[in-house]
Amino acid sequence: AQSVAQPEDQVNVAEGNPLTVKCTYSVSGNPYLFWYVQYPNRGLQFLLKYITGDNLVKGSYGFEAEFNKSQTSFHLKKPSALVSDSALYFCAVRSNTGFQKLVFGTGTRLLVSP
Amino acid sequence: DTAVSQTPKYLVTQMGNDKSIKCEQNLGHDTMYWYKQDSKKFLKIMFSYNNKELIINETVPNRFSPKSPDKAHLNLHINSLELGDSAVYFCASSQMGRGGYNEQFFGPGTRLTVL
Repeated sequence: AQSVAQPEDQVNVAEGNPLTVKCTYSVSGNPYLFWYVQYPNRGLQFLLKYITGDNLVKGSYGFEAEFNKSQTSFHLKKPSALVSDSALYFCAVRSNTGFQKLVFGTGTRLLVSP
Repeated sequence: DTAVSQTPKYLVTQMGNDKSIKCEQNLGHDTMYWYKQDSKKFLKIMFSYNNKELIINETVPNRFSPKSPDKAHLNLHINSLELGDSAVYFCASSQMGRGGYNEQFFGPGTRLTVL
């Protein structure tokens, strides 16, 4: 069975500072990893994904994530946070074997202060 | 130009009623999903259809019945609504592809409140 852990319910960062939102996963086979963002009263929006290849993945709005197979992690990062980045962030994983459902983490609320 | 649309956006109803939520996608995707997001924002898949065929059916009460009349539509019918059904329901779609690694596109959600 696959699972995702987002150990932090909330991350606080000042505008202009770098941010990291943590994600670790467990899956049989090789993982497909995703990050989504949810703004208040909205649906989830896709940010980026790792399928194969370069461990550093770049996505929308200046976000990037680093796949680390040995640590089974896929942390989301941004060099300089904006107040408008404040939202709920979800990490998700599925196995690359057969058709498997996408399993989401519990979400991390990012608060960027001015 | 909404990619994935859901109706209604809000649904308030009494316990025991039957209600439906509709979902349409204009992305040409072959796979659609229903998710439930509870009050703690935990997101869990309920159903998935690929080319109108049910491929994922999680442990969901049989009061919930999805119907896919065509690849662009996936509706959710709920019988005998209970208080615990109150949540936000999201529809999503994706193109399955050979590896199933394509991202999903989500609708705006339907907030269901059962009184």
